[in-house]
Amino acid sequence: KQEVTQIPAALSVPEGENLVLNCSFTDSAIYNLQWFRQDPGKGLTSLLLIQSSQREQTSGRLNASLDKSSGRSTLYIAASQPGDSATYLCAVCNIGAGSYQLTFGKGTKLSVIP
Amino acid sequence: NAGVMQNPRHLVRRRGQEARLRCSPMKGHSHVYWYRQLPEEGLKFMVYLQKENIIDESGMPKERFSAEFPKEGPSILRIQQVVRGDSAAYFCASSPLEAGTGELFFGEGSRLTVL
Repeated sequence: KQEVTQIPAALSVPEGENLVLNCSFTDSAIYNLQWFRQDPGKGLTSLLLIQSSQREQTSGRLNASLDKSSGRSTLYIAASQPGDSATYLCAVCNIGAGSYQLTFGKGTKLSVIP
Repeated sequence: NAGVMQNPRHLVRRRGQEARLRCSPMKGHSHVYWYRQLPEEGLKFMVYLQKENIIDESGMPKERFSAEFPKEGPSILRIQQVVRGDSAAYFCASSPLEAGTGELFFGEGSRLTVL
């Protein structure tokens, strides 16, 4: 059974700082990994998707890496801004019986202090 | 192109009542997924549907919960005889292909409160 862990559970940084969010998973036979952002009371916004054959993906100030063999992914946020404050969720996709299932971590709650 | 639309956004029910949550996938998407987010918990998979077919309902409680995605109209997640433990945010997601070949796009969620 796939399990996804995100560390830290919460993080507070001053504006402008670079930061790294961590995600680990127990079953390395993943199909892809996706990072989402969730604002309070809102839905999920997809940030980056990394296919299992890829090592990293970049979008603007965000960079996500994937190391399947060690069961780890990181989300790097450069030059953080107060608008980056949100909960960041990591989700891995496995091929199950008849479907593709996402297993989510509990998230890292990020606060960027002006 | 509108995103995944869920309604209602907020729903309050008393114990024993029924809750119906609706989800319209993005235009052109024929795959729908329902996830539940309990307080302080991660999102958990419930069910995966294609038009008129339930593909995988392994995450759905065996009793009181049902889901459908008819040929016409939105997908419906139905919870009968709700209990307090059903209070959660229910998220719908859609994709044009199986999840493993593309992204999932999530709606804003329906937040159910059971009194």
